[in-house]
Amino acid sequence: DQQVKQNSPSLSVQEGRISILNCDYTNSMFDYFLWYKKYPAEGPTFLISISSIKDKNEDGRFTVFLNKSAKHLSLHIVPSQPGDSAVYFCAASPRLGSSNTGKLIFGQGTTLQVKP
Amino acid sequence: DGGITQSPKYLFRKEGQNVTLSCEQNLNHDAMYWYRQDPGQGLRLIYYSQIVNDFQKGDIAEGYSVSREKKESFPLTVTSAQKNPTAFYLCASSWGTAVNTEAFFGQGTRLTVV
Repeated sequence: DQQVKQNSPSLSVQEGRISILNCDYTNSMFDYFLWYKKYPAEGPTFLISISSIKDKNEDGRFTVFLNKSAKHLSLHIVPSQPGDSAVYFCAASPRLGSSNTGKLIFGQGTTLQVKP
Repeated sequence: DGGITQSPKYLFRKEGQNVTLSCEQNLNHDAMYWYRQDPGQGLRLIYYSQIVNDFQKGDIAEGYSVSREKKESFPLTVTSAQKNPTAFYLCASSWGTAVNTEAFFGQGTRLTVV
């Protein structure tokens, strides 16, 4: 039972254009969402997060949008750069105080390729 | 420098042998986690610990064991009962359950069982 889903295994965009990575979740107890970037044979690094009380969070070229009614979040990268090429994972955390607090659940990942 | 360290980076073992992967953090984090990554799959949670001397099973705990005797350390043992142990293992830590915050990951250990 995949509670966090990234349905696109890969995405290819041209340098300078926008990259949009999508993520869906099924558990309404999730209320904190994160995006991680991962290069091969390395650990993931944190990019950006959003709390369920917000619908948008922006940090430089990265913006995360949250649509709670649709249980959907997306990561926008503008403008995309070749160095952004990596695997992107979305993750979700249950509500603070719930029995699963602290348990980060990850999606399958989307491989982004930014072409020069 | 604060961080989370996994060792070794590459590990080879014969089938049927137990093997222990090391994870140490000096971030003063309460919570620690072990994930496994297989090709084409996301990070799947093996075990997590929210406090010293306490840990919970994740989604794929069978064939694995952990201990949390010290705040800084969360070793993972891959036992012979794990049917498909070859994978990339990632350890992470976070401030824990009091606040919503990101987890920090180590560089991973690639385990190959032959």
